[in-house]
Amino acid sequence: EVELLESGGGLVQPGGSLRLSCAASGFTFTSYAMSWVRQAPGKGLEWVSSISGSGDFTYYADSVKGRFTISSDNSKRTLYLQMSSLRAEDTAVYYCAKSHVATRRHVNGDFDYWGQGALVTVSS
Amino acid sequence: DIQMTQSPSSLSASVGDRVTITCRASQDINSFLAWYQQKPGKPPNLLIYAASTLQSGVPSRFSGSGSGTDFTLTISSLQPEDIATYYCQRYNSAPPLTFGGGTKVEIK
Repeated sequence: EVELLESGGGLVQPGGSLRLSCAASGFTFTSYAMSWVRQAPGKGLEWVSSISGSGDFTYYADSVKGRFTISSDNSKRTLYLQMSSLRAEDTAVYYCAKSHVATRRHVNGDFDYWGQGALVTVSS
Repeated sequence: DIQMTQSPSSLSASVGDRVTITCRASQDINSFLAWYQQKPGKPPNLLIYAASTLQSGVPSRFSGSGSGTDFTLTISSLQPEDIATYYCQRYNSAPPLTFGGGTKVEIK
């Protein structure tokens, strides 16, 4: 059974940093692209970042480019999102999501499994 | 970037009604479109991919259609457990993997 478990959320001051983790199980981690999608309170879904199954290709939304870094540790089957220079508008629930189709190079796909989400609150 | 526009943003219907939600892409995305259902406090759940393919375990009252720029999600007979917000998402090319703004479905 596929499981995605996020951790690392919390309250952080503007300008601060935080690292989210997503522990994956139940599938061949290196065969699927992984992504982060966030949802601000009362708002819709916003794609944030994706990494290919091989780990060689990464993509970011313009809103986080230069501030967030996506990475993965295959030995730990864990996806990360390092967030820095955080702003109030980054406040959201952050979901990790698994791509539906196995591909080591591409990241464009729909998402068949999602974690329960990690709340990040940026406030002084 | 490709924009995804959903309509309506909200709707109210009676149990048993046929419900239709539309999603329009600003460019041709072929059939690379997915639909998700999200209930309050829960992560999204994949309903349909490739515009019209029902994800395993999803009730058959849900269906999707369309290609190119215009897509539709239909609930053939609305049930109380279908109360949720529905999102479309395009995935035809490299990111951003844009979502539509969402459609909130309520019971009348």
